[in-house]
Amino acid sequence: GEDVEQSLFLSVREGDSSVINCTYTDSSSTYLYWYKQEPGAGLQLLTYIFSNMDMKQDQRLTVLLNKKDKHLSLRIADTQTGDSAIYFCAETLGDGGATNKLIFGTGTLLAVQP
Amino acid sequence: DTEVTQTPKHLVMGMTNKKSLKCEQHMGHRAMYWYKQKAKKPPELMFVYSYEKLSINESVPSRFSPECPNSSLLNLHLHALQPEDSALYLCASSHRVGGTEAFFGQGTRLTVV
Repeated sequence: GEDVEQSLFLSVREGDSSVINCTYTDSSSTYLYWYKQEPGAGLQLLTYIFSNMDMKQDQRLTVLLNKKDKHLSLRIADTQTGDSAIYFCAETLGDGGATNKLIFGTGTLLAVQP
Repeated sequence: DTEVTQTPKHLVMGMTNKKSLKCEQHMGHRAMYWYKQKAKKPPELMFVYSYEKLSINESVPSRFSPECPNSSLLNLHLHALQPEDSALYLCASSHRVGGTEAFFGQGTRLTVV
């Protein structure tokens, strides 16, 4: 199927690190993404990783990719209350042409406690 | 400018109404998308336009009719909707289909009464 799985909920204390996990479905996905959605808002692209990379760091964000296990994670260092949101991983499915689809994971609600 | 603008932000419509959702981007992107998002669920793909041509229709009911009049604009025409169609409708664009970054608008919160 096309289910991209994430754990539903994560609670951390302000200043701690958060790790959000994702298991995707298509080993041929070229790009994998992390999006953030605050309540009532659209989706904000946080970062993405190309499938030939194992790790990508962007300021407080670190993405790790394990292609063998089809596992993607997002680590947020020094988590702040403003990081509270739903985080979606996403993968592209398709042959690289006009029928490519961006498929989202089930979403993880991150709650940051002050 | 990395903005995708959707109007209106909120829409309440009756089941016999006809309305349209609008989406605009000026990033030169040639792929545009409509997604539907129910509460506490991930966005679900509805339509994809590539170079102003419909390339994906995810078996969406005909009461939803997309239109791409030019490379910057994407519309979603609504007619005879049902209460279960109430959701957040998100528009997105990317440089090309399957491109590295898809930018999303803030969405239109649709309520069908």
